[in-house]
Amino acid sequence: AQKVTQAQTEISVVEKEDVTLDCVYETRDTTYYLFWYKQPPSGELVFLIRRNSFDEQNEISGRYSWNFQKSTSSFNFTITASQVVDSAVYFCALSEDQAGTALIFGKGTTLSVSS
Amino acid sequence: DARVTQTPRHKVTEMGQEVTMRCQPILGHNTVFWYRQTMMQGLELLAYFRNRAPLDDSGMPKDRFSAEMPDATLATLKIQPSEPRDSAVYFCASGLTLRTDTQYFGPGTRLTVL
Repeated sequence: AQKVTQAQTEISVVEKEDVTLDCVYETRDTTYYLFWYKQPPSGELVFLIRRNSFDEQNEISGRYSWNFQKSTSSFNFTITASQVVDSAVYFCALSEDQAGTALIFGKGTTLSVSS
Repeated sequence: DARVTQTPRHKVTEMGQEVTMRCQPILGHNTVFWYRQTMMQGLELLAYFRNRAPLDDSGMPKDRFSAEMPDATLATLKIQPSEPRDSAVYFCASGLTLRTDTQYFGPGTRLTVL
């Protein structure tokens, strides 16, 4: 069965610290997609990244980076030099091969960055 | 800047009343999803459509919830009668059934049933 686990419920850091948000997934499909979304205090869900199961290259976008490891079924998200504006709930999600299928979300990690 | 829009943004109603939430997907997107977010359950799928046809509504309580797409620019989620346990944020998302498979979310409707 599909499942996404974000074991860290809450993380608190001080500005400029690096922080890694963990995501572990379960799926029987060989082709699947992984996502990260950000939900700031305003409530909307903002798409951050999508990865397919055949692309294990790590990705960096500014202060954000993602580490995809199929061997451990993990898709971790690192924020370098965190800022107060990074404070939000971050969701990891999985969808399987059939195009257009729904997202299975983890429970989310609440990140609080203090100045 | 194409966005998914949802109305209303906030709704307070009394138990037993009918509630209708609307969603306008991004123009050209052919999949539409309804999710519900609660503190206890997190984000869970209620229903989704592809090319306006319902594909999966197994997440919805069938006796009181219904979802439709009258046309390609409008999706509706209706609750009748509403109950306090329906209080949640309801998100609509749209996407393309291509390999991109990314869903873009609307701002949500915050529903409170008293």
